[in-house]
Amino acid sequence: DGGITQSPKYLFRKEGQNVTLSCEQNLNHDAMYWYRQDPGQGLRLIYYSQIVNDFQKGDIAEGYSVSREKKESFPLTVTSAQKNPTAFYLCASSIGGRRQYSNQPQHFGDGTRLSIL
Amino acid sequence: GEDVEQSLFLSVREGDSSVINCTYTDSSSTYLYWYKQEPGAGLQLLTYIFSNMDMKQDQRLTVLLNKKDKHLSLRIADTQTGDSAIYFCAETMVFSGGYNKLIFGAGTRLAVHP
Repeated sequence: DGGITQSPKYLFRKEGQNVTLSCEQNLNHDAMYWYRQDPGQGLRLIYYSQIVNDFQKGDIAEGYSVSREKKESFPLTVTSAQKNPTAFYLCASSIGGRRQYSNQPQHFGDGTRLSIL
Repeated sequence: GEDVEQSLFLSVREGDSSVINCTYTDSSSTYLYWYKQEPGAGLQLLTYIFSNMDMKQDQRLTVLLNKKDKHLSLRIADTQTGDSAIYFCAETMVFSGGYNKLIFGAGTRLAVHP
């Protein structure tokens, strides 16, 4: 079955530590996204990537980094510079790419819950 | 600016209809989406409507769009306990190169009781 796989489901970070959240998709989508969800709030965009080897900052990129070396994978690193990392992190993908596909919906993984030790 | 607003909570009796409302600000949005989130899970795409449509029906779901008032609603007929979840409205902004940015509301928590 095609879909988006996020791992791990739960993650704990120690102070001063960087942690990496995995996101893999087998939908052959060009565009991938990372969102942060805090209780009682909607989703906020951290980073997005339209194509391999290219990515752009979203609305709340500070303290995060990403890479897009493969079409299927878009890992997110939460660095020690992110002072309030406790949240639910969601990865999404869409067909993206050419403009004619720009309105295709985004599909989401099941999320990773990150907490501070 | 970018803003999508929803009421935060809705309680309905099993078997009744639920109506979840949403207002958005960007009149150039071409697609508007409804997503469902169950506890501890990701977002599931429920349905979406193109901005040149007034209504879209998909089984128990009916989406109404009033483009003049920038108002979107999701009606769930014969609401079941399995419909209990958080429902997110989202509008899309399209940028050059095919990138689309979703602007989400804060979500409406639907509670279905016997």
